[in-house]
Amino acid sequence: AQRVTQPEKLLSVFKGAPVELKCNYSYSGSPELFWYVQYSRQRLQLLLRHISRESIKGFTADLNKGETSFHLKKPFAQEEDSAMYYCALSGNSGGSNYKLTFGKGTLLTVNP
Amino acid sequence: EPEVTQTPSHQVTQMGQEVILRCVPISNHLYFYWYRQILGQKVEFLVSFYNNEISEKSEIFDDQFSVERPDGSNFTLKIRSTKLEDSAMYFCASRGTRKNTEAFFGQGTRLTVV
Repeated sequence: AQRVTQPEKLLSVFKGAPVELKCNYSYSGSPELFWYVQYSRQRLQLLLRHISRESIKGFTADLNKGETSFHLKKPFAQEEDSAMYYCALSGNSGGSNYKLTFGKGTLLTVNP
Repeated sequence: EPEVTQTPSHQVTQMGQEVILRCVPISNHLYFYWYRQILGQKVEFLVSFYNNEISEKSEIFDDQFSVERPDGSNFTLKIRSTKLEDSAMYFCASRGTRKNTEAFFGQGTRLTVV
């Protein structure tokens, strides 16, 4: 079974402070991990995927298979980072399905 | 930039009525999905569709639900007899190839069953 846990429902930081949004997963095979972001009144959009190992908008995330984690980090938060962040897992469940299993999401608020 | 589009953005329906939620995936995509999000809860997978058939469905996707790709462009979710607990945001998503696993989401349809 696929499971994604985001332990923090809400996270509030001040502008310029570091931010870390936690994500842990459970999957028996080799998953692909994603971070999706949803800004106010907008659609879910892909922020990061672990296989690309890139930094988007200053955010990075490293897959730690030993700890089954994929935490999202940014050294200096900006007010425009305020949004809902979802960690998601995609696994090949025996076919070519690649459905996404989402965590419950973390609402990040960056205060001025 | 191509987008997944969903209509309507908001649908209010009476309990027991049938609703059809419509989605236009990105044109060269091959894999299509419906997800839903009940207010305050996580985004949940409903069904995936590939090669004109359902490839996987969740426990939520019971006999009241069906999906169709009637004309090669639209991808619809039908709920035959809506219940109060079907009230949620429904998201359509599409994906290109087997190797590219990034899913693109529509803006969602908010379904309210009264």
